[in-house]
Amino acid sequence: AQSVTQLGSHVSVSEGALVLLRCNYSSSVPPYLFWYVQYPNQGLQLLLKYTSAATLVKGINGFEAEFKKSETSFHLTKPSAHMSDAAEYFCAVTARASKIIFGSGTRLSIRP
Amino acid sequence: KAGVTQTPRYLIKTRGQQVTLSCSPISGHRSVSWYQQTPGQGLQFLFEYFSETQRNKGNFPGRFSGRQFSNSRSEMNVSTLELGDSALYLCASANPRQGDTEAFFGQGTRLTVV
Repeated sequence: AQSVTQLGSHVSVSEGALVLLRCNYSSSVPPYLFWYVQYPNQGLQLLLKYTSAATLVKGINGFEAEFKKSETSFHLTKPSAHMSDAAEYFCAVTARASKIIFGSGTRLSIRP
Repeated sequence: KAGVTQTPRYLIKTRGQQVTLSCSPISGHRSVSWYQQTPGQGLQFLFEYFSETQRNKGNFPGRFSGRQFSNSRSEMNVSTLELGDSALYLCASANPRQGDTEAFFGQGTRLTVV
């Protein structure tokens, strides 16, 4: 069985500050891990994915995530927040892309 | 290359009615999955179709059904609508030939049941 836990339903940071969104996973098989972003009334856009290659994964819009097997974590970071980063972020796990298990989401707010 | 297309974008239905949602996957993608997103339950997997066959199913009642056509387009049907069925329904397509590790999502269909 697979599951994802996102710590913090709402994170607020100042513009220019570090963004850190936390995600822990559970999987009985080697997982594929994803971060998706959702803007209001939109679908999900893939930010980045881990597929057992490099443990540090770089994505779009300056985001990156590090896969840590010992901690079962896949936290999302961005060195400097921008107002346009305000959105809902979902961590997800799958054994294959056709059945994805999502976390509960973290709403990111950016303070001017 | 066109993305995943879901129609309609918005729907308002009355309790007890039925509804059909449509999803056109990315050209060449044979796997189509459906998800329900609600504020209370988050994103939940409904089912997946691959080559016209249901390959996987989530924990939803039988009122939720789907099908896939030979051109990989998929439809989802909800019968006897309940207020709790109000949600954003998302469709995603994937390409197994690329290792089946990435799903591409459509914009969703916002269903409101009144």
